[in-house]
Amino acid sequence: DQQVKQNSPSLSVQEGRISILNCDYTNSMFDYFLWYKKYPAEGPTFLISISSIKDKNEDGRFTVFLNKSAKHLSLHIVPSQPGDSAVYFCAASDTGGFKTIFGAGTRLFVKA
Amino acid sequence: DAGVTQSPTHLIKTRGQQVTLRCSPISGHKSVSWYQQVLGQGPQFIFQYYEKEERGRGNFPDRFSARQFPNYSSELNVNALLLGDSALYLCASSSLQGFSGNTIYFGEGSWLTVV
Repeated sequence: DQQVKQNSPSLSVQEGRISILNCDYTNSMFDYFLWYKKYPAEGPTFLISISSIKDKNEDGRFTVFLNKSAKHLSLHIVPSQPGDSAVYFCAASDTGGFKTIFGAGTRLFVKA
Repeated sequence: DAGVTQSPTHLIKTRGQQVTLRCSPISGHKSVSWYQQVLGQGPQFIFQYYEKEERGRGNFPDRFSARQFPNYSSELNVNALLLGDSALYLCASSSLQGFSGNTIYFGEGSWLTVV
């Protein structure tokens, strides 16, 4: 039972353009959402998060949008840089944070 | 400040053997979680410990067990290893428990190969 879904296994974007990574969730009890970035042979690195009381959170080039009614969130990276090429994981947890559930990931390729 | 540290970084075991993986959380963090990541998938939740007590368990067989020590470090044990246990095992720590907004921070992982 996949509670967090990332339906695009990969995404290719030109340097300088916007990258949009999408994520859907099914559990309405989730109230905190996170994005992680992972390079090969490294652990996932926390990127940005959003609470369910917000619909947008911005940190530099990274913005996360949350649409609770659609149970959908997205990560926007603008402008995209070659160093952003990595696997991006969407994750969610419920009140209490007893466990954080991850999607399968989207591999982003940023072409120079 | 040191991040989450895990050991060993790589190991090879034979089917049927037992393995112990170790994790030290970020200083001040009292919660440790364990995840298994196989190629092409996201991290799968195994356990979460807080203040030395198990607070969450994923859908893994009883061959998987863990514990947390008074200094908040943790061990993950896997008995009767199967080929399918070959994966990257990730430890994550966090400072909050029982609150919304619990951000977890990962270590570099332990690569386990079962032959």
